[in-house]
Amino acid sequence: DVKVTQSSRYLVKRTGEKVFLECVQDMDHENMFWYRQDPGLGLRLIYFSYDVKMKEKGDIPEGYSVSREKKERFSLILESASTNQTSMYLCASSHGSTGNNEQFFGPGTRLTVL
Amino acid sequence: GENVEQHPSTLSVQEGDSAVIKCTYSDSASNYFPWYKQELGKRPQLIIDIRSNVGEKKDQRIAVTLNKTAKHFSLHITETQPEDSAVYFCAASQTSTGSARQLTFGSGTQLTVLP
Repeated sequence: DVKVTQSSRYLVKRTGEKVFLECVQDMDHENMFWYRQDPGLGLRLIYFSYDVKMKEKGDIPEGYSVSREKKERFSLILESASTNQTSMYLCASSHGSTGNNEQFFGPGTRLTVL
Repeated sequence: GENVEQHPSTLSVQEGDSAVIKCTYSDSASNYFPWYKQELGKRPQLIIDIRSNVGEKKDQRIAVTLNKTAKHFSLHITETQPEDSAVYFCAASQTSTGSARQLTFGSGTQLTVLP
């Protein structure tokens, strides 16, 4: 059974703080993703990674960076948090083969920036 | 890039009735179309998917249809039950290129099944 975990369920930070969100998967998946979920906007892709140390921008990368030093771990970094980054952040992972795109999601981190 | 539009944004049905959610996509190269269900406070989970080489797929009370010519696909839930109440997301992807890893999601439909 695939397990994707995220470091925090709830997080409150102040404007300008540096924020780290961590995601870990235990199924040896090649691909990992970070989304933000806002009401009425669905799931929007921030960044994804298809291998260690590899990263690609998604649809809304501005204000975010990522790090993937180990296959099982994918970190999302907010260099200087702003109030418009208050959101639910979801991590996901999927197998590397092009024939299997199912993404498995973590429980989410609800981030509030004051 | 791909753009997926989903309608309606909210849908209320009586228990036992059917529910239909529709999505359109823009990239004719997309060939994989999954549907995810997200119950309140929980993570999204895949419930059914369809590839472009078939027009319809069914799994018990849920079915998905695909019209490649019109570039739209739909989720059909029959005999709805209260536990079907959730947010449903459609998505589209290509499986044959380097972008195979990405899914582009629709904006979601909040389905409420009234007892």
